[in-house]
Amino acid sequence: QSALTQPASVSGSPGQSITISCTGTSSDVGSYNLVSWYQQHPGKAPKLMIYEVSKRPSGVSNRFSGSKSGNTASLTISGLQAEDEADYYCCSYAGSSAVFGGGTKLTVL
Amino acid sequence: EVQLVESGGGLVQPGGSLRLSCAASGFTVSSNYMSWVRQAPGKGLEWVSVIYSGGSTYYADSVKGRFTISRDNSKNTLYLQMNSLRAEDTAVYYCARDGDPGWFDPWGQGTLVTVSS
Repeated sequence: QSALTQPASVSGSPGQSITISCTGTSSDVGSYNLVSWYQQHPGKAPKLMIYEVSKRPSGVSNRFSGSKSGNTASLTISGLQAEDEADYYCCSYAGSSAVFGGGTKLTVL
Repeated sequence: EVQLVESGGGLVQPGGSLRLSCAASGFTVSSNYMSWVRQAPGKGLEWVSVIYSGGSTYYADSVKGRFTISRDNSKNTLYLQMNSLRAEDTAVYYCARDGDPGWFDPWGQGTLVTVSS
């Protein structure tokens, strides 16, 4: 399984919105509505932010939203805040396995 | 509170073995899908293995034949037996509950495995 493709970095100013893309194939992202997104701060464990493409776990801000079209999923963060600065990873179920994206470093300017 | 706590990491020589443990609280390991995910220093996340509630197990190609995932229902604990370790296995290893499957929550704090002579 090849890793999903994410941009290495994105940036935005406080209050702005950013979108992180995650491109897979018809064997993973395109076949299942089981895309999830994780936020990871330095030295910390990943935290689930979005699951099943667009669902938010309890306690996650509604500034985070997810979507999918074909083989590409997206994470949008609106109203950027300084605390959003972190690494973000997408992940897709791939039939008895999972595949992650390479990660995107979000910088809040 | 739902929580996972890993242990067992450390320094091991190439070709050596190590067993990681992941103690769960607040939920039952055997009733859930459970996975191991690793992260090499400065790198991204890599899925390693999953055990389904029914007992079926699956592995990433990179560890197949060398790693074994298991659980002890009486201890509510997940394990990862790692044999024939290589330098490229050096990573922080996280255990996580695997929902549905395909998404991971919660995660443990991670345990560092270093393979070096």
